[in-house]
Amino acid sequence: DAGVIQSPRHEVTEMGQEVTLRCKPISGHNSLFWYRQTMMRGLELLIYFNNNVPIDDSGMPEDRFSAKMPNASFSTLKIQPSEPRDSAVYFCASSLGQGGGSNQPQHFGDGTRLSIL
Amino acid sequence: SQQGEEDPQALSIQEGENATMNCSYKTSINNLQWYRQNSGRGLVHLILIRSNEREKHSGRLRVTLDTSKKSSSLLITASRAADTASYFCASGGSQGNLIFGKGTKLSVKP
Repeated sequence: DAGVIQSPRHEVTEMGQEVTLRCKPISGHNSLFWYRQTMMRGLELLIYFNNNVPIDDSGMPEDRFSAKMPNASFSTLKIQPSEPRDSAVYFCASSLGQGGGSNQPQHFGDGTRLSIL
Repeated sequence: SQQGEEDPQALSIQEGENATMNCSYKTSINNLQWYRQNSGRGLVHLILIRSNEREKHSGRLRVTLDTSKKSSSLLITASRAADTASYFCASGGSQGNLIFGKGTKLSVKP
């Protein structure tokens, strides 16, 4: 049974470049979450979708960040332009129902480790 | 910050001992979940306890929830070296998202 698949696993790029992170949720899951994890701030929710519609994007740091979910099996998180402070591990997770409040667990991918030089 | 807090931040024990981690949260919840994260990997769901439950067991895991104190604890009995990981609590509210704590780093020495 395939879990949440993220790509790439590692990304190293120079400041100012566009970065696109990709996520394929578990088939049948209707909620998708993007998180960022750093030592200083821990795990932060950036945005989450339910049935492909963004429900809460209040965690998106600034306009440089954007996320899309064109269909139930694919989502992207884009950073343009990237900055060194964006360096972190970015996780995608999916679940049934409407997220944490629906009493359903979230299933995480193994993350993308992003380094902006 | 809306984040909860885990206590302790780090815990080192010998194999066979029990490990107890505590979690406090700030808002009203529908449920509280515990996750484990091995180094370089994503989080893995361990157990979910609903707001109307006080205790739940799953194998060697025991979770308690005290909504009056806004706190939860995770007990791992008879720990093994393979239990070495970071453990996170996450509170699930009515808005649909989970709010994660900063985690407890558990080291189990063989």
